[in-house]
Amino acid sequence: SQTIHQWPATLVQPVGSPLSLECTVEGTSNPNLYWYRQAAGRGLQLLFYSVGIGQISSEVPQNLSASRPQDRQFILSSKKLLLSDSGFYLCAWSGGRGNQPQHFGDGTRLSIL
Amino acid sequence: SQQGEEDPQALSIQEGENATMNCSYKTSINNLQWYRQNSGRGLVHLILIRSNEREKHSGRLRVTLDTSKKSSSLLITASRAADTASYFCAYMTTDSWGKLQFGAGTQVVVTP
Repeated sequence: SQTIHQWPATLVQPVGSPLSLECTVEGTSNPNLYWYRQAAGRGLQLLFYSVGIGQISSEVPQNLSASRPQDRQFILSSKKLLLSDSGFYLCAWSGGRGNQPQHFGDGTRLSIL
Repeated sequence: SQQGEEDPQALSIQEGENATMNCSYKTSINNLQWYRQNSGRGLVHLILIRSNEREKHSGRLRVTLDTSKKSSSLLITASRAADTASYFCAYMTTDSWGKLQFGAGTQVVVTP
């Protein structure tokens, strides 16, 4: 069966520090991969999605970037964190055909001090 | 971005009662999905309904879709305390392959 792993679960970082959040998927090949951010009590905002290795689409201009160095690995990064980067970050995957449900990791709670 | 709208924002019911929440959207869709999120966790997919379908069932869940009104509803029958969670609708538009637009969610509390 397919599983998705996200880490760390929580992270506290100072303003101006770098960020690297990792997401890996097991049990499937060539998944579509997504990074979302969720503000407290709100819905999800799509940040990045990827349909293959090295293929990244950015949905909103921001201080973050994403990379997909391997088929089942998706990384969210920042060179210098801002206070506004605080939030709950969720990684998800879906099957190769776009008309499929998405499956989510357990998220990373990021607090910027 | 075109986000869906959900109502109510919050719903408090007793065990055994039914819970109904609604979702509206503003564009043509390929499909609409409902997800559940327990506090501090990731989302779990519940049901996907395609634009040419009107109703789907899964256990105690019933989803309807009315594309003429651009709306969907999720009904949870005979609710249980374990159904306490936030429920989100998310839709895939016909011109945004593979990408979902999420509503703000309905927070459901089921008291024993």
